[in-house]
Amino acid sequence: DAGVIQSPRHEVTEMGQEVTLRCKPISGHDYLFWYRQTMMRGLELLIYFNNNVPIDDSGMPEDRFSAKMPNASFSTLKIQPSEPRDSAVYFCASSFSLGSYEQYFGPGTRLTVT
Amino acid sequence: KQEVTQIPAALSVPEGENLVLNCSFTDSAIYNLQWFRQDPGKGLTSLLLIQSSQREQTSGRLNASLDKSSGRSTLYIAASQPGDSATYLCAVPPGGSQGNLIFGKGTKLSVKP
Repeated sequence: DAGVIQSPRHEVTEMGQEVTLRCKPISGHDYLFWYRQTMMRGLELLIYFNNNVPIDDSGMPEDRFSAKMPNASFSTLKIQPSEPRDSAVYFCASSFSLGSYEQYFGPGTRLTVT
Repeated sequence: KQEVTQIPAALSVPEGENLVLNCSFTDSAIYNLQWFRQDPGKGLTSLLLIQSSQREQTSGRLNASLDKSSGRSTLYIAASQPGDSATYLCAVPPGGSQGNLIFGKGTKLSVKP
């Protein structure tokens, strides 16, 4: 398996623009997680899905953020409108199950909002 | 609320030295603990997963221990090499939950040749 795939790897956009980040989890994994990493706050969970259903979105900072998982092999994280404080690295991770299984992370998308 | 602390924030050692990285968590009702490695500008690589019923887990030169009652884990790296230079993060699920991971801020390790 190619591992968790994220695109784009880098995104530079202007304030107010819509940004869409994409993730393809490892095949067979039932759980998908979106995390955000900043120097100040470290790694924080934004939202996670189980079998394509959002389970916990308490980490989504504002209504400007939304996430979808239309099928088992694809998820998107959208920011509309983007702001400079959204600049961070966004990671997608997947897991076969919870508890006994590791989470595997993608390479991340580095977002810069100017 | 689960909180994870890693000490020290940064560590520099000469090549060949054995070293220990520390991780502490506030809620001991965890299902597991996971150690990751992150290289600059890269994603996270899972190193070791310790189940709550385990005391330690080994992979090559790495050994992770877990003491749930005291809320602590250590990552022992034997015979360190320059290629071990990276940031090491530990993570646990929220107390009593098997959900997402709560991460520490990491220990940035530099191994000097």
